Amino acid sequence: DAGVTQSPTHLIKTRGQQVTLRCSPKSGHDTVSWYQQALGQGPQFIFQYYEEEERQRGNFPDRFSGHQFPNYSSELNVNALLLGDSALYLCASSRDRGREQYFGPGTRLTVT
Amino acid sequence: EDQVTQSPEALRLQEGESSSLNCSYTVSGLRGLFWYRQDPGKGPEFLFTLYSAGEEKEKERLKATLTKKESFLHITAPKPEDSATYLCAVQRYGYALNFGKGTSLLVTP
Repeated sequence: DAGVTQSPTHLIKTRGQQVTLRCSPKSGHDTVSWYQQALGQGPQFIFQYYEEEERQRGNFPDRFSGHQFPNYSSELNVNALLLGDSALYLCASSRDRGREQYFGPGTRLTVT
Repeated sequence: EDQVTQSPEALRLQEGESSSLNCSYTVSGLRGLFWYRQDPGKGPEFLFTLYSAGEEKEKERLKATLTKKESFLHITAPKPEDSATYLCAVQRYGYALNFGKGTSLLVTP
């Protein structure tokens, strides 16, 4: 049973550039949530996608956007990258927007 | 505004030395409280969900309990492989998880 997968594992970008991160949910799951985790901090909720729509959003600027595809996979896009966007980006999946969320291994983004 | 505070920030135990991690929270309309384990550079691993005060759940050497204001993660006779950061999160209306900063646990042989 495949768990949550994310790509790429690591990414280095320059300030001002744009980045796209990808996530495939656990088998049988249809809901994807994205979190940002800075070093030494707990994950911070960015947004959640269900039925290809953004259902809930955390306190992140519009530079952060996303998409969910018919196969339930999802993308996170960040425009106009800032140094402060450097973090571990985590994808979590659940079933029917269920309470229990299972996390992927994350994508480490470094902005220079 | 929701608040989740975990203590201590760091804990060092000898193998076999039992202890507890604390998660205190302020949230209206709690839907669930979650415990995760996170190894360095990896995603959080789901451990437990607690839904109501008085509820307890166990898994191997770990036991989680919940009151109306806090949750405890009890670790009995820990082993070095239990070393990790333990994260607590609360879920209110909606489905977002609101995490604490975590407790970094080191178990030495």
